[in-house]
Amino acid sequence: DSGVTQTPKHLITATGQRVTLRCSPRSGDLSVYWYQQSLDQGLQFLIQYYNGEERAKGNILERFSAQQFPDLHSELNLSSLELGDSALYFCASSVVSASYNEQFFGPGTRLTVL
Amino acid sequence: GENVEQHPSTLSVQEGDSAVIKCTYSDSASNYFPWYKQELGKRPQLIIDIRSNVGEKKDQRIAVTLNKTAKHFSLHITETQPEDSAVYFCAARNTGTASKLTFGTGTRLQVTL
Repeated sequence: DSGVTQTPKHLITATGQRVTLRCSPRSGDLSVYWYQQSLDQGLQFLIQYYNGEERAKGNILERFSAQQFPDLHSELNLSSLELGDSALYFCASSVVSASYNEQFFGPGTRLTVL
Repeated sequence: GENVEQHPSTLSVQEGDSAVIKCTYSDSASNYFPWYKQELGKRPQLIIDIRSNVGEKKDQRIAVTLNKTAKHFSLHITETQPEDSAVYFCAARNTGTASKLTFGTGTRLQVTL
């Protein structure tokens, strides 16, 4: 157990819908990262937050947005869902934004868009 | 931005043999290189990492080497066991203000009996 929690574990929804994925980082970690992993694909970096502020953006679609709250948990919002959005979404956290600190991954949320 | 290439995409070895996975990176400013192991349906987990001021690091059956001049790094697994079967990802990070990880595309390692 990495200490990073994600809810829900599984999510099944229809095209056009909107969902929210939640992540709670390890205690003390200020940075949260979101990744998308499609079937048999690598880990695509979406976005990073550090202490409530957006720090880096990757290949995140305009239909997707995220935020980090004062208690440091983060939410990833996916809207106007398409079949191709079906994937595993991982959240990771680390102590600080810079330096060599390890990123700890959560168990992931498996999103299925029908 | 950083680009990480990883080879091979699949690797099959017999139990007890060694496995080597190679990665190259593009950004010479990258200075931290972790390797993650992901079992089927599970989260990626860090197995070893190396910083740019070190050329080699070893942890039991796992070792990582880094060639900064050539901008490539490799994972070596010796005496492979069936439980080593998983997908392995290399990554590179530039410790700037963003410090995001750029991952390779993964190597599916299969250790056969």
